[in-house]
Amino acid sequence: NAGVTQTPKFRVLKTGQSMTLLCAQDMNHEYMYWYRQDPGMGLRLIHYSVGEGTTAKGEVPDGYNVSRLKKQNFLLGLESAAPSQTSVYFCASSHTGATEAFFGQGTRLTVV
Amino acid sequence: GIQVEQSPPDLILQEGANSTLRCNFSDSVNNLQWFHQNPWGQLINLFYIPSGTKQNGRLSATTVATERYSLLYISSSQTTDSGVYFCAVSGGSYIPTFGRGTSLIVHP
Repeated sequence: NAGVTQTPKFRVLKTGQSMTLLCAQDMNHEYMYWYRQDPGMGLRLIHYSVGEGTTAKGEVPDGYNVSRLKKQNFLLGLESAAPSQTSVYFCASSHTGATEAFFGQGTRLTVV
Repeated sequence: GIQVEQSPPDLILQEGANSTLRCNFSDSVNNLQWFHQNPWGQLINLFYIPSGTKQNGRLSATTVATERYSLLYISSSQTTDSGVYFCAVSGGSYIPTFGRGTSLIVHP
């Protein structure tokens, strides 16, 4: 009964490096989301997906790319990391946009 | 997009006190959730409550969709209630938008 699982939990990158964050859900949800959380800002939406093979931009998409090749997985990529991308990243999923969303445990990313 | 405002931004209580947290939103919603982010950063689902009233132990929530607000009540607070409480709503876009949260500290 894993729910939403994020990999990795912690990562330190050097400026200019690339990485991929993986989100996996086992609830057969259609909708998946990536958020970032910065101090005092709440959670802001980066990208989202309403089904396998679809992606869309959220509030703060610049510097990130996503892919949803399989229904259960939603990948967030940073092609050239910048210190401004230091944040905690959360993935979530839901059956539809009007149903309860469930969150992963978060990934703490530091870019130096 | 839909705007979400939470109040108060910060709250400090003594153990045993009651509190009310408020979430105002700017448009009609089809989804409203309350979350608790514990000191370890984990987001815990408290209520899925687009309308009506629900209770779970010492916590209860009420959403008055026609007046565009929701309230979270915490009774007999405990130190383990400390953390940040978030309200998230979705409207026509069906994408959850978060408020900035209420930071709660409960002292023993």
